[in-house]
Amino acid sequence: EVQLLESGGGLVQPGGSLRLSCAASGFSISHYAMHWVRQAPGKGLEWVSIINHSGGTPYYADSVKGRLTISRDNSENTVYLQMSSLGVEDTAVYYCVKDRGYCSGTRCYTSWYFDLWGRGTPVTVSS
Amino acid sequence: EIVLTQSPATLSLSPGDRATLSCRASQNVNNYLAWYQQKPGQTPRLLIYDTSNRAAGIPARFSGSGSGTDFTLTISSLEPEDFAVYYCQQRASWPPITFGPGTKVDVK
Repeated sequence: EVQLLESGGGLVQPGGSLRLSCAASGFSISHYAMHWVRQAPGKGLEWVSIINHSGGTPYYADSVKGRLTISRDNSENTVYLQMSSLGVEDTAVYYCVKDRGYCSGTRCYTSWYFDLWGRGTPVTVSS
Repeated sequence: EIVLTQSPATLSLSPGDRATLSCRASQNVNNYLAWYQQKPGQTPRLLIYDTSNRAAGIPARFSGSGSGTDFTLTISSLEPEDFAVYYCQQRASWPPITFGPGTKVDVK
C-alpha cells in the first residue's frame, strides 16, 4: 500500500525543539519532491516547506524560515522536519505530503500540487 | 504572496443538489489552481489540478473551471460522502504556495 506515516509529534514547551519523521512505503520518494503542510486546530491548511527529489533547494514559508529545516534520506525512504524555537503559533497537525510531479534521471517536474497525504502528527506548543 | 478567498464560507445543501464553490485570487494565477476535499477527521484529498483536470479516482460529478483570478468547483449532484470542507490552492507563484480558507458544504 502506498502511504506516508508521520511520527515525532507531541507536547513541547515554547522555545523547544522537535524532529518529525515521515516514512514512505509502497513507493520510492527518490522520484518526488516532498512537502510539509500544517493545519492549526480548527483552521485551514498552511504550506510549510518543500525539498526536491535529491535533497537540494529547500524552500520555506516565511512564518517558519530560520526555525524549521527540512531534509530527506532517500536510502531510508524518509523525510524529516527539524523544528526549533517553537512558539504557540506552531501548534498544528503536521502533514507529510508527496508532490504530484516526478523525476526520472535528470528530468524533473515539481508540480506543487499534493496527491498523497500522511495522516499527520500533532504538535502542541504549550507551557 | 497570492491571497485566495473562497465563497461562501458555508454552503447548506441537500443530497442531489448542485454545489457551486468559488475561489478568487488576488492576482492572476493563470490556470495553476487546485481543489482539495477534507472530510471531518480525515486528511485532504486532491480533487482537481490545473483548474479543470480531475485527479486519479475522482468521480466525474466533480468539475473545475475558471481562469485568471476567478475559479469554480462544481459538484453536479451531491452524494452523502461529499459533505466536507473544500480548499482551493494556487501554485502560480511560489514560494509560498497558498490555500484559500475553505468552504464547508453541510447538510441543509
